[in-house]
Amino acid sequence: SAVISQKPSRDICQRGTSLTIQCQVDSQVTMMFWYRQQPGQSLTLIATANQGSEATYESGFVIDKFPISRPNLTFSTLTVSNMSPEDSSIYLCSFVEGSNQPQHFGDGTRLSIL
Amino acid sequence: QKEVEQDPGPLSVPEGAIVSLNCTYSNSAFQYFMWYRQYSRKGPELLMYTYSSGNKEDGRFTAQVDKSSKYISLFIRDSQPSDSATYLCAMSTINTGTASKLTFGTGTRLQVTL
Repeated sequence: SAVISQKPSRDICQRGTSLTIQCQVDSQVTMMFWYRQQPGQSLTLIATANQGSEATYESGFVIDKFPISRPNLTFSTLTVSNMSPEDSSIYLCSFVEGSNQPQHFGDGTRLSIL
Repeated sequence: QKEVEQDPGPLSVPEGAIVSLNCTYSNSAFQYFMWYRQYSRKGPELLMYTYSSGNKEDGRFTAQVDKSSKYISLFIRDSQPSDSATYLCAMSTINTGTASKLTFGTGTRLQVTL
């Protein structure tokens, strides 16, 4: 299957700042997703990144806080805006190659906000 | 009540043991079932992907789905220290490439000792 890479792998940020996470797949894929994984909790879907249109956000997540871009079929970014310590988490991107195919994940970005 | 329940462990077994990992779910619309393995500081890696009730085997791993009981299992035979990781179950209602939202369990941490 396609190979996915995510960067940065980790970062420590100051509260009030923003960070953009990049996700690159080495071939065109139909769907890309962004998840958050907090300690001791399930992976939670933030949004589906739609190519050429606005992302589809899950309940509890808003575009102003987590703007997402997907300019083509291999690349997506997630920005965590105006960060607070509560945003400290692992952020993961994933993709689906085609219909009835499972999701494959990147290694995540470990984000700490001071 | 969570949609997907998974015992967080930790589960410690000796090398060579048979491991049984389980998830229960409440949403009867779940149709696709997955098991992911996540090593420390890595993203989830797909192990098994099943659709129907019954068993699916891949090497030392067997995935079992019982839709009537809303219960899925992952069995690991001849467990190895390299199997030490967190195991996540995940499921989705439809998987058409346009709506593949996954609902995850919280993960079971497995430790295989020498």
